[in-house]
Amino acid sequence: DTEVTQTPKHLVMGMTNKKSLKCEQHMGHRAMYWYKQKAKKPPELMFVYSYEKLSINESVPSRFSPECPNSSLLNLHLHALQPEDSALYLCASSPLGSLEKLFFGSGTQLSVL
Amino acid sequence: AQSVTQLDSHVSVSEGTPVLLRCNYSSSYSPSLFWYVQHPNKGLQLLLKYTSAATLVKGINGFEAEFKKSETSFHLTKPSAHMSDAAEYFCVVSPPFSGGYNKLIFGAGTRLAVHP
Repeated sequence: DTEVTQTPKHLVMGMTNKKSLKCEQHMGHRAMYWYKQKAKKPPELMFVYSYEKLSINESVPSRFSPECPNSSLLNLHLHALQPEDSALYLCASSPLGSLEKLFFGSGTQLSVL
Repeated sequence: AQSVTQLDSHVSVSEGTPVLLRCNYSSSYSPSLFWYVQHPNKGLQLLLKYTSAATLVKGINGFEAEFKKSETSFHLTKPSAHMSDAAEYFCVVSPPFSGGYNKLIFGAGTRLAVHP
């Protein structure tokens, strides 16, 4: 299994809603990532988890709250988002220190109304 | 500091003709370089990678890239474009000593259109 699975594929939410994005991999990767991609732009790194601990937070607003409950799962909890947060959210995973083994999921297309 | 510049935001070719997507990098150290492809509303797929082995790198779907240190370039080529190659392509550099995790630096992307 060489897949990173993200759910849901599409999400529409209001600014007062609370929702969560989910990501799952069964490749034994101990590094997992959240990226944000605005339309017609490259992905931007948000968070990195290594061994289920938060290693990098790229100055992301607190309305985005990541969680890594175990080595296969990565969540992104969303609360009080703004319309400018509408984007494609990509999850990725890799073995630690292995640059060529980074796998991306297909993403969740988020629209904030 | 590491950076990568994709010289064309859009490239349009006819089916069956060669593809050239240009990328220049800036790096204080010997970098690792990648090309990723992204089809509409999809995640990124690794096409090929350079990690200081052979300078001519072959990837999937007939793509290849040549690392030229003297020109600080890593251009992506394909001899004959197919309609299914239409997508966004990202040139990516990864600095060394990233502390065990992948901190990738993306270029702005090149949108490839393929016409019948």
